[in-house]
Amino acid sequence: DGGITQSPKYLFRKEGQNVTLSCEQNLNHDAMYWYRQDPGQGLRLIYYSQIVNDFQKGDIAEGYSVSREKKESFPLTVTSAQKNPTAFYLCASRRGQGTHQPQHFGDGTRLSIL
Amino acid sequence: AQSVTQLDSQVPVFEEAPVELRCNYSSSVSVYLFWYVQYPNQGLQLLLKYLSGSTLVESINGFEAEFNKSQTSFHLRKPSVHISDTAEYFCAVSSGSAGGYNKLIFGAGTRLAVHP
Repeated sequence: DGGITQSPKYLFRKEGQNVTLSCEQNLNHDAMYWYRQDPGQGLRLIYYSQIVNDFQKGDIAEGYSVSREKKESFPLTVTSAQKNPTAFYLCASRRGQGTHQPQHFGDGTRLSIL
Repeated sequence: AQSVTQLDSQVPVFEEAPVELRCNYSSSVSVYLFWYVQYPNQGLQLLLKYLSGSTLVESINGFEAEFNKSQTSFHLRKPSVHISDTAEYFCAVSSGSAGGYNKLIFGAGTRLAVHP
């Protein structure tokens, strides 16, 4: 079955450490997204990519980095510069660039600080 | 700038009762509207969408939403809820922007709690 796979499901970060969250899709979707979810705040966009080797900052990109070397993969690195990384991270993808296409979501990665 | 307001953070309701989850948006251009549902520790699942045409859209599990352009609303309703409908519901809006990028703006979510 086609879908979006996020790993790991739970991740712990030590102070000063960078961690990378994986997102893989086999839907042949062009666009991919990373969101951060905090209680009572809905979803906020971190980064998005419309095409391989291109990505754009979202609303809260500081302290995060991404790469898009393959169409299927869009990993997110939470750097030590992100001072409040504890959150639920969701990856999404979307077919094409038309505004009517809905986004499809993975099951998320919950990141906590040790 | 676009924004989405979900007027209730929590909605408690008894099983088999009707429910309405309210959503208002602000946008000066044409919009596409979505409702997503999130069960605990899972991602978001698309519940229904309004793209164009009929202002009343329905999902396969009994939910419906009506696009009201004059009131800039897209409220979600179900005539009789089940325990299994307990989840968080997100309203989202998208519109065209410079460069053709598609971005979803989400509301803060409404937690629906169905009690027996």
